[in-house]
Amino acid sequence: QSALTQPPSASGSPGQSVTISCTGTSSDIGGYNYVSWYQQHPGKAPKLMIYEVNKRPSGVPDRFSGSKSGNTASLTVSGLQAEDEADYYCISYAGSNNFVVFGGGTKLTVL
Amino acid sequence: EVQLVESGGGLVPPGGSLRLSCAASGFTFSSYTMTWVRQAPGRGLEWVSAIGSGGGTTYYADSVKGRFTISRDNSKNTLYLQMNSLRADDTAVYYCAKIGGSYRFDPWGQGTLVTVSS
Repeated sequence: QSALTQPPSASGSPGQSVTISCTGTSSDIGGYNYVSWYQQHPGKAPKLMIYEVNKRPSGVPDRFSGSKSGNTASLTVSGLQAEDEADYYCISYAGSNNFVVFGGGTKLTVL
Repeated sequence: EVQLVESGGGLVPPGGSLRLSCAASGFTFSSYTMTWVRQAPGRGLEWVSAIGSGGGTTYYADSVKGRFTISRDNSKNTLYLQMNSLRADDTAVYYCAKIGGSYRFDPWGQGTLVTVSS
């Protein structure tokens, strides 16, 4: 059960856009359109931000968007705001044997 | 409102056992796959285990296979995690989550802290 690869950190200034990548294999990200993204503020539970690669749950600002190309999924945060500073994790379905695989997390800093 | 509330965490010595519970409300518990995810202090999220809606299908991370057992009581709307042979590296906040369509983890409970130490 290998983890998905995320950069440990990312940053941007208020109003800018930042993209966080999540790289897997053909057995997880590349094989299914079941990639989801989660935001976690310190001391809080994770919150679903994107599911099925690019769908936003109700209540999530449209500044958050997702995409996928091959074995790599991406989360883009546009118009960065101070409250976007948090840790972000990707999760992908990995088939009936492994079930799911997680990314290691990316700390997003708003400068 | 969909709500998940974990309980059962605490301090346990290495080699000990603990059972976590996750009480669910606000949705038809028996219709959903449920999961446990943990987070060691200062570390990232780590998937632990999942169980199908009827309880007959279970999944485990290699790190806990053979030591942890996931189960559910649909009559009580409660998810469980029986943890045996606990080790120091099992120290973490343990979250339960509902798995909806497209394998989305939503929502998550507030977590319960398990500390394995002598």
